[in-house]
Amino acid sequence: NAGVTQTPKFQVLKTGQSMTLQCAQDMNHNSMYWYRQDPGMGLRLIYYSASEGTTDKGEVPNGYNVSRLNKREFSLRLESAAPSQTSVYFCASSGRGNNQPQHFGDGTRLSIL
Amino acid sequence: SQQGEEDPQALSIQEGENATMNCSYKTSINNLQWYRQNSGRGLVHLILIRSNEREKHSGRLRVTLDTSKKSSSLLITASRAADTASYFCATVEGNEKLTFGTGTRLTIIP
Repeated sequence: NAGVTQTPKFQVLKTGQSMTLQCAQDMNHNSMYWYRQDPGMGLRLIYYSASEGTTDKGEVPNGYNVSRLNKREFSLRLESAAPSQTSVYFCASSGRGNNQPQHFGDGTRLSIL
Repeated sequence: SQQGEEDPQALSIQEGENATMNCSYKTSINNLQWYRQNSGRGLVHLILIRSNEREKHSGRLRVTLDTSKKSSSLLITASRAADTASYFCATVEGNEKLTFGTGTRLTIIP
């Protein structure tokens, strides 16, 4: 059982380039999330999707777009990368309801030069 | 904005000792969760405590919640080298979204 799979694991971009981070889960979860983790700041929510076909902004959505392609997949796109977006990005998924734990992928380490 | 603040930011103890980490938060919550993160890996869920619960146990883990003080503590008993990791509290308010604290970095000295 793979859980939550993120690709790529590492990426280096130049300022202004675009890229899409991929996330897929095989636990039949309804909810999926994208976070960024910066040193000393914990995780901050970028976007989330409570179900297929719906997406909502989190705490730090500026500069990002998302697509909930189907129940399994939730992608994060940087249209024009900026150095401030250098971070580690985590995807997570959970079952429906408030009292469900989230399951995380191992992250994508992204550097913007 | 960060909801939770963990204390201490870093903690080093000898193997076999107990480790206690504290978390304070700002608003009313539905539940509070603790996660562990090993270096270079994603977060792993440890335990969830609901707002109407005061204490919960899972193996060597003990979590307390004081909603009047808006605080929680995580106790790891009989620590092992494998417990070396960062630990995060996260709160859930009225929906499914988690708001994370800044984490405690725990080092177990063999």
